[in-house]
Amino acid sequence: SAVISQKPSRDICQRGTSLTIQCQVDSQVTMMFWYRQQPGQSLTLIATANQGSEATYESGFVIDKFPISRPNLTFSTLTVSNMSPEDSSIYLCSVVAGGLETQYFGPGTRLLVL
Amino acid sequence: QKEVEQNSGPLSVPEGAIASLNCTYSDRGSQSFFWYRQYSGKSPELIMFIYSNGDKEDGRFTAQLNKASQYVSLLIRDSQPSDSATYLCAVSSNTGKLIFGQGTTLQVKP
Repeated sequence: SAVISQKPSRDICQRGTSLTIQCQVDSQVTMMFWYRQQPGQSLTLIATANQGSEATYESGFVIDKFPISRPNLTFSTLTVSNMSPEDSSIYLCSVVAGGLETQYFGPGTRLLVL
Repeated sequence: QKEVEQNSGPLSVPEGAIASLNCTYSDRGSQSFFWYRQYSGKSPELIMFIYSNGDKEDGRFTAQLNKASQYVSLLIRDSQPSDSATYLCAVSSNTGKLIFGQGTTLQVKP
């Protein structure tokens, strides 16, 4: 597996502002993903973070709202832009490590938008 | 039809019993199947994965896969109160993306 850290672990933000979430892995990984988990819900994939190129977004998610960077094989950021209360969620990064397509999750960032 | 379906529960079992968690999926091209455990306020933790039809055992956990019926299950033997959590079934195609079910909440009562 891999050791994954996320910053911040939680935040309370005002409507209309933006928050950048960082994901750091202790080893180089090929595939990295960003998920959202809304209160009481399961996980929804936001995008695949591609190293050196634009992220691949899932239906319903757009780059203007959720810009993603991945400058190298151990680090990625997700920005939640122009936030509204509907963006209050847990945001999780995950990586494929150890082969066999197994994904491991970071501890998550708990975001509350007022 | 949802792509990955689970009964949300809660599933309540007494301590020491076998807990049986079920999952069905719609994409016949799915290749890999995963069970994650998520404690309240924590991130999902991978507990089992299975690729081939049949059973796979790991300690008290057994994953069962039937691709013809598009059905995956997780059995937890000798259930403990510490097993109380939400169990998420996830299915992967050859793209590497995971699609998650809604999760089943398991309550193990002492």
